[in-house]
Order: sequence, then structure tokens, then C-alpha cells
Amino acid sequence: DAGVIQSPRHEVTEMGQEVTLRCKPISGHDYLFWYRQTMMRGLELLIYFNNNVPIDDSGMPEDRFSAKMPNASFSTLKIQPSEPRDSAVYFCASSSSRQGQTDTQYFGPGTRLTVL
Amino acid sequence: KNQVEQSPQSLIILEGKNCTLQCNYTVSPFSNLRWYKQDTGRGPVSLTIMTFSENTKSNGRYTATLDADTKQSSLHITASQLSDSASYICVVRVRDNYGQNFVFGPGTRLSVLP
Repeated sequence: DAGVIQSPRHEVTEMGQEVTLRCKPISGHDYLFWYRQTMMRGLELLIYFNNNVPIDDSGMPEDRFSAKMPNASFSTLKIQPSEPRDSAVYFCASSSSRQGQTDTQYFGPGTRLTVL
Repeated sequence: KNQVEQSPQSLIILEGKNCTLQCNYTVSPFSNLRWYKQDTGRGPVSLTIMTFSENTKSNGRYTATLDADTKQSSLHITASQLSDSASYICVVRVRDNYGQNFVFGPGTRLSVLP
């Protein structure tokens, strides 16, 4: 199993540009999570999907952020327009509901975003 | 307010020594508590998951304890190795209808020196 795959691994962009982060969850997992990690705030849950449907997006900072999951094997997190304060490491994680409340979340390697 | 606190913020130990990391939480209703290890530049990896009824769980040299009465957990690392240098994050899951509400601690940064 390849684990959770994220791309790109690093992204450097200028303020105002659109940024799209991509994630491929582990095959068979029905939950997908997007997190953001900064030194100041630690890990924050942005949004999660169950069976491709967004369940809770209360962690999305503002309307500039959007996430989609068109199918079970692909999700995107888009920032438009990007701002310097969006600079962070963005993680995607997936899990399976078959394990119930003790399901393990498997994290991808992350995308380090720098907005200049 | 649901919160997870960890101490110490950072810790330096010599290779071969033991250490204990602390996690205090004020999360209700409680579902389970997890410890993650995060190597620099990588995503977190789950070490242990404990439910209300479990008070200890081991994963190799890592042993987690849970006291649900005092709302405290600890992660004990035995015979530390250089590869244990990482951040250790305590995460508490809130029991709710959706079942995916997590509260993250700020992490403890452990450095193991030769």
C-alpha cells in the first residue's frame, strides 16, 4: 500500500495566486481529512469528508478556502486568492469507519506552502 | 472549552535514557485519546489509541497510560534511541454524532542526543 499521497510536496507562490493541493487517500478508506499545521497554531482540522461528502467544514478559515472530493480516490484543497498568512504545511489524512471510534488516521507527507 | 495541554514543551535527553511526556485534557464527552509521533518534515504517525476503559497500552518501547478520572495521560519512552527525536502530539477525540471531532495538543518536541 502506497499510503496517502499528496502533491505537490512543496509549493511557492506569490500573494494573490490560486493554489491547488491534491490528495489521494488509501484505497478503501471512507474518511478523508485536510489539516493545516503551523508553529503558532499546531495542527488544525480544516474539513473532512465521508464517502466523498463534506461533513464538517467549520475549520476552513474563510471563503478563500475550498475543498472538493469528486471521487473516492481524489481530493483537492484550493486557496484563491492566496495570502502570506496561508503559509503552512497542509496534511491530508484518511481513515476507515470499519474500525469504529478507534479508527487510525493515516497522514500523508504534507505539502509545504509558502506564499510570498 | 475543550482543550489539550502537553508538557514539557521540549525535552532533551541522552540516548538510552527513559523519559515521560504528559498530556492533560478537558474534553467532554470523551471518546478516546491518541498519541502521534511526528518526525521533522513528515506527517504524524499513530502510536497508541486508548478508550475510556483502557489505562495502559504499549507499542514497542512506547507505553501510554490514561487516567480518565484525572483526565491525564502520559507517554513513556524506554531506552530512547536517536530515532525517537520527534514531536509527540496528544489528541483527544470528542464523542459526538459524527464521531470525527478531535482536539489536538501543541506537542512536545523530544531531542535524543548521542
